[in-house]
Amino acid sequence: EAGVAQSPRYKIIEKRQSVAFWCNPISGHATLYWYQQILGQGPKLLIQFQNNGVVDDSQLPKDRFSAERLKGVDSTLKIQPAKLEDSAVYLCASSPRTSGGEYEQYFGPGTRLTVT
Amino acid sequence: GENVEQHPSTLSVQEGDSAVIKCTYSDSASNYFPWYKQELGKGPQLIIDIRSNVGEKKDQRIAVTLNKTAKHFSLHITETQPEDSAVYFCAASSPTGGFKTIFGAGTRLFVKA
Repeated sequence: EAGVAQSPRYKIIEKRQSVAFWCNPISGHATLYWYQQILGQGPKLLIQFQNNGVVDDSQLPKDRFSAERLKGVDSTLKIQPAKLEDSAVYLCASSPRTSGGEYEQYFGPGTRLTVT
Repeated sequence: GENVEQHPSTLSVQEGDSAVIKCTYSDSASNYFPWYKQELGKGPQLIIDIRSNVGEKKDQRIAVTLNKTAKHFSLHITETQPEDSAVYFCAASSPTGGFKTIFGAGTRLFVKA
């Protein structure tokens, strides 16, 4: 079974520029998550999708961050304009989330963003 | 808001010794507690999990315990090996708010050969 794919793996941009990250979850996984992991900290949820609907985006800075999950499969996360404090690893995860309540999340390798 | 505290932040043990990482959570509705291992340059990998209807779970050298009354859960690694060196995260998931998962800050484990 292929894992969660993310691209690019690394990105360096200047502040005020825009950037987009892509995620392809494990086939058949209904739930997709985007997390922000600042160096030395645990992952922090930005947005959670169930199929192509948003379940939780309460911690997404909506003035600059946006995300979509087209057709309930792939997802993109965009930052526009970027700030220095957005430097972090952006992790995508997916979960089977069956009706029985399987909560296991499987993470991709992440995209390391550096904003200069 | 909901919070997960994790201790210690750094742990250094000799190969063959045991390592224990402890977490506390604040949301009493939490019912799923996974542990993740993150190696440098990689995403977190699930190593073991426990649900609220179970007090203890073991998988080879790894075990987790859960005390729902005290809102504590712990990871125990026995017979540590150098390849166990990594950052370990605990997390707590609650069915409220769409099964939100809150992660601890992580424990950097060093296993000295």
